[in-house]
Amino acid sequence: GQQLNQSPQSMFIQEGEDVSMNCTSSSIFNTWLWYKQDPGEGPVLLIALYKAGELTSNGRLTAQFGITRKDSFLNISASIPSDVGIYFCAGPHPGTYKYIFGTGTRLKVLA
Amino acid sequence: DAGVIQSPRHEVTEMGQEVTLRCKPISGHDYLFWYRQTMMRGLELLIYFNNNVPIDDSGMPEDRFSAKMPNASFSTLKIQPSEPRDSAVYFCASSLTAGDQPQHFGDGTRLSIL
Repeated sequence: GQQLNQSPQSMFIQEGEDVSMNCTSSSIFNTWLWYKQDPGEGPVLLIALYKAGELTSNGRLTAQFGITRKDSFLNISASIPSDVGIYFCAGPHPGTYKYIFGTGTRLKVLA
Repeated sequence: DAGVIQSPRHEVTEMGQEVTLRCKPISGHDYLFWYRQTMMRGLELLIYFNNNVPIDDSGMPEDRFSAKMPNASFSTLKIQPSEPRDSAVYFCASSLTAGDQPQHFGDGTRLSIL
């Protein structure tokens, strides 16, 4: 079945550093979403992308919809301790409203 | 605005017991989704509804699982009988009318079956 692979699986960074993570698919997506999940809570939407090549920012976060429509990238600039959590990419299974979630990137920020 | 509300937040019960998880979607959202999250399998879609009608239940693991949406503001996910392997965090999410709109998640129910 279709899968969304995220890399890296986990990262440890120093506060103030920039972070990059990506998500790849075996097939084309028309929508990419990026979520963050804090411990004990549900995923919270960070950024939504709807067009190939689209670059969207939300504060220190920037996400891009890959031109091939099979990948997406999320960057966090000047990381802070509250950026800690698990970041998920997601997209709807083509032709349906069934969302597939990536395997997640676990981020830890060292003060 | 109130987000998606799930109850209970935690449930611990013995295997064989019936478990009912509840969800109130965001008002005006026509799509409701139930997910299960485990370390091994990540976030898996179990079933989703559109305008209270189940559209796709192919992710429901077994007949022991059932879900209903009697009205636009309430949904239940029931497990009967429960088994230890059902232990997971169950999330409910809702989205606006257009199906490709982002989903908004509740805080989940952490279920432990002993």
